[in-house]
Amino acid sequence: GQQVMQIPQYQHVQEGEDFTTYCNSSTTLSNIQWYKQRPGGHPVFLIQLVKSGEVKKQKRLTFQFGEAKKNSSLHITATQTTDVGTYFCAGWVGTASKLTFGTGTRLQVTL
Amino acid sequence: NAGVTQTPKFQVLKTGQSMTLQCAQDMNHNSMYWYRQDPGMGLRLIYYSASEGTTDKGEVPNGYNVSRLNKREFSLRLESAAPSQTSVYFCASRSTSGRAENEQFFGPGTRLTVL
Repeated sequence: GQQVMQIPQYQHVQEGEDFTTYCNSSTTLSNIQWYKQRPGGHPVFLIQLVKSGEVKKQKRLTFQFGEAKKNSSLHITATQTTDVGTYFCAGWVGTASKLTFGTGTRLQVTL
Repeated sequence: NAGVTQTPKFQVLKTGQSMTLQCAQDMNHNSMYWYRQDPGMGLRLIYYSASEGTTDKGEVPNGYNVSRLNKREFSLRLESAAPSQTSVYFCASRSTSGRAENEQFFGPGTRLTVL
């Protein structure tokens, strides 16, 4: 079945450093989404990418969708303690009604 | 709007007991989902309902049943709980139109422990 892997599993940075998480799918995706889950909370939608090679920015967050639509990345510039949490990518395949989530990257930010 | 609500928030069961996790959404979404989250495993789909009256298995359906009671409500039942079902369970619904097309909205989760 479809698999979506993320690396790294965990990253610890100092406030102000940059952070990147990578997402790789075993199959071509029709689109990809990113979610953030704060400790003890539930996943919250961040963004959806649809087009091959698409790049979208949300303030300090930059999201990319690969040319082959099988990988994606999330880059955070100058991390803040409010960025702490687990970041998940999730992909739709074709017209399927279900989303496959990646394994997640847990980000810890210290002062 | 309350969004997606789940009950209960916490539950402790003994092996072999049964229970139903309740989920409701007030956003008029057609599709609803049940996930479980275990440490290091991400979110795994248990069952989903693409529309009222339909349900389909996800990645890890064994040991669970679901009911799409109406457009608002989607319940998950454990008939005979096992320790391997100790997890955090999230219900979600999906928007299929407008600015938030395909966005999934999650409930606050149910933390279940099976002894």
